[in-house]
Amino acid sequence: EPEVTQTPSHQVTQMGQEVILRCVPISNHLYFYWYRQILGQKVEFLVSFYNNEISEKSEIFDDQFSVERPDGSNFTLKIRSTKLEDSAMYFCASSLGQGPYNEQFFGPGTRLTVL
Amino acid sequence: AQSVTQLDSQVPVFEEAPVELRCNYSSSVSVYLFWYVQYPNQGLQLLLKYLSGSTLVKGINGFEAEFNKSQTSFHLRKPSVHISDTAEYFCAVRASGNTGKLIFGQGTTLQVKP
Repeated sequence: EPEVTQTPSHQVTQMGQEVILRCVPISNHLYFYWYRQILGQKVEFLVSFYNNEISEKSEIFDDQFSVERPDGSNFTLKIRSTKLEDSAMYFCASSLGQGPYNEQFFGPGTRLTVL
Repeated sequence: AQSVTQLDSQVPVFEEAPVELRCNYSSSVSVYLFWYVQYPNQGLQLLLKYLSGSTLVKGINGFEAEFNKSQTSFHLRKPSVHISDTAEYFCAVRASGNTGKLIFGQGTTLQVKP
C-alpha cells in the first residue's frame, strides 16, 4: 500500500542552524502539505503546495520557512535559522486532489529538536 | 476562522466497554469534519469523515461519529473497544472551498485497559 515517508525520523540541531526535512509523498498525488505539532499542543497547518507554488500558508510560515519539490518525488521543508520554539513534530501529507473527498495521507513525522 | 475543541485530553476505558470522544467546533462557514487516529510512531490515519448527507457516519475499525449542526459537535463513538484501539485521536475541520487546510483539535489519548 502506498504511503508517505519522511526522513529523518529525528533531527537534532543547534539554534541558528539550517535544517531540511524531507518527505516522499505518494507518487501520483498532486497536493502537498506540512503540519507541525509542538509537544502538548495542537497539530497546526503550516503550508499547502500545488503545481510548484504555495497555495496557502499560515502565520507560522514566515520568511524562515520555505518548501520545495526539487525533483518530482521529494517535498522538502527548510528552516533557515532554527529557533528553540521550532522544536516540534513535523508531518508531511499529500492528496490526489484538493477537494474534501480527497483524503490527505500523512507521513509518520520528523521530530525536530533545537538545542 | 475555524477552531476545534476536544474536551478530553485522556480517556481511560476498560476493554469491551463503550467509548465516546468528544469534539466541538466553531466556524462561520460550512465545514467538513474528520477524525484521525495516530498509533505510536505512525502518521495520522483517517478514521472517518462527514462531508454531507447522513449525519451518522461510519468509519474503519468499528468507529462511528454523529454530526450535530445545532450543537456544533462531531463526537466519535465505539460500542466495544479493544486494546488495539489505544492511540491518539484527533478531530479536524476543513472550511468548504479552501485549499485543503485542516484545523485540528488538541487530541484525545484513548487508553484501553485489560
